[in-house]
Amino acid sequence: GNSVTQMEGPVTLSEEAFLTINCTYTATGYPSLFWYVQYPGEGLQLLLKATKADDKGSNKGFEATYRKETTSFHLEKGSVQVSDSAVYFCALSANSGGYQKVTFGTGTKLQVIP
Amino acid sequence: DTGVSQDPRHKITKRGQNVTFRCDPISEHNRLYWYRQTLGQGPEFLTYFQNEAQLEKSRLLSDRFSAERPKGSFSTLEIQRTEQGDSAMYLCASSLVGGPSYEQYFGPGTRLTVT
Repeated sequence: GNSVTQMEGPVTLSEEAFLTINCTYTATGYPSLFWYVQYPGEGLQLLLKATKADDKGSNKGFEATYRKETTSFHLEKGSVQVSDSAVYFCALSANSGGYQKVTFGTGTKLQVIP
Repeated sequence: DTGVSQDPRHKITKRGQNVTFRCDPISEHNRLYWYRQTLGQGPEFLTYFQNEAQLEKSRLLSDRFSAERPKGSFSTLEIQRTEQGDSAMYLCASSLVGGPSYEQYFGPGTRLTVT
């Protein structure tokens, strides 16, 4: 079956530091890949997405590139802010019996300190 | 576009009681999904609807759980005879068939605590 593996957290960074959160996946076919963010007490918000190999998704300074050869979709940001503190979920969407089933990783908690 | 809404946001109930949650998807979305998220985990798929038809159910959805989407708009998730293990965040999401990348839009969730 499909699966997503994320680096375990929590990740603690100082403001303006560089962020990388690793994500690798296992899937048949050609999934779409996503990063979702969840702020405390809230639901998931789509952060960025990529639908085919070598696509780069980007939003709010975050980027991730769909690497089919390494089955990876690592999240990066050049300079984090305190407001980026949240839990980040890597996810894939693949066709399963006629609908796009989404499989999530376990999430990586990011804490940014001033 | 008001997004996906869920009600209530929080529910505390005693073991053995029944609870019902409601989800209102984005108005033009014809697919609706329910997920369960426990502490420290990612969301796990429970079930999904296309219009009013429930097309798939996870093994996580025991006989005590039932979901409906009677008119293809809002959906309800009922848990009968709640157990402490049912304590979790219940998330609803919606999407549009043929929409860009089939991305799903999530509601804020209903946090259930069973005492």
